[in-house]
Amino acid sequence: GAGVSQSPSNKVTEKGKDVELRCDPISGHTALYWYRQRLGQGLEFLIYFQGNSAPDKSGLPSDRFSAERTGESVSTLTIQRTQQEDSAVYLCASSLTGGRQETQYFGPGTRLLVL
Amino acid sequence: KNQVEQSPQSLIILEGKNCTLQCNYTVSPFSNLRWYKQDTGRGPVSLTIMTFSENTKSNGRYTATLDADTKQSSLHITASQLSDSASYICVVSLNTGGFKTIFGAGTRLFVKA
Repeated sequence: GAGVSQSPSNKVTEKGKDVELRCDPISGHTALYWYRQRLGQGLEFLIYFQGNSAPDKSGLPSDRFSAERTGESVSTLTIQRTQQEDSAVYLCASSLTGGRQETQYFGPGTRLLVL
Repeated sequence: KNQVEQSPQSLIILEGKNCTLQCNYTVSPFSNLRWYKQDTGRGPVSLTIMTFSENTKSNGRYTATLDADTKQSSLHITASQLSDSASYICVVSLNTGGFKTIFGAGTRLFVKA
């Protein structure tokens, strides 16, 4: 595709429910990143994929958060038993090979509101 | 503690004027520093990336500087336009195994006509 796409663009859920957020990276990009941006705060790194493997999961805030990637393409970020503090914009980015100096291209984000 | 601090928190300038945004970091070991522009409701867009050996990098009306000794960076915007209204985020990556990136909170720039 022309850019990174994410769905849904907005999600409102009740506390305790599970949610799945989807990211479609730029075609051919092997590296994929998930970030979280709480209102008025900077981005927080969550997880990084190289191909279908996640060599760095250090940013996941709790075991309620998990992510997977298949076919070296689409990735899903799952939040189980959502809490109000999970409310944030979840951003996905991709880069060509994952090199440290590479430009990351971001999607528009999914705005999650947990009531 | 690895930190990235940006100033000012917000800034209002008139169209056509120049401005400079600051970024101070205490990240170590340093790999690179990036500046992103984030429009409201959109994902960040990369403006510049600089490694340890680079002092300045330009992208159109945007010029970033890096002083690795004092651990300071600046983003200078020349002849501002209304479309420059956005958040500008400074991001520093660590030169360690895995993927370690520290984001600043951003400077919110408002350009007025």
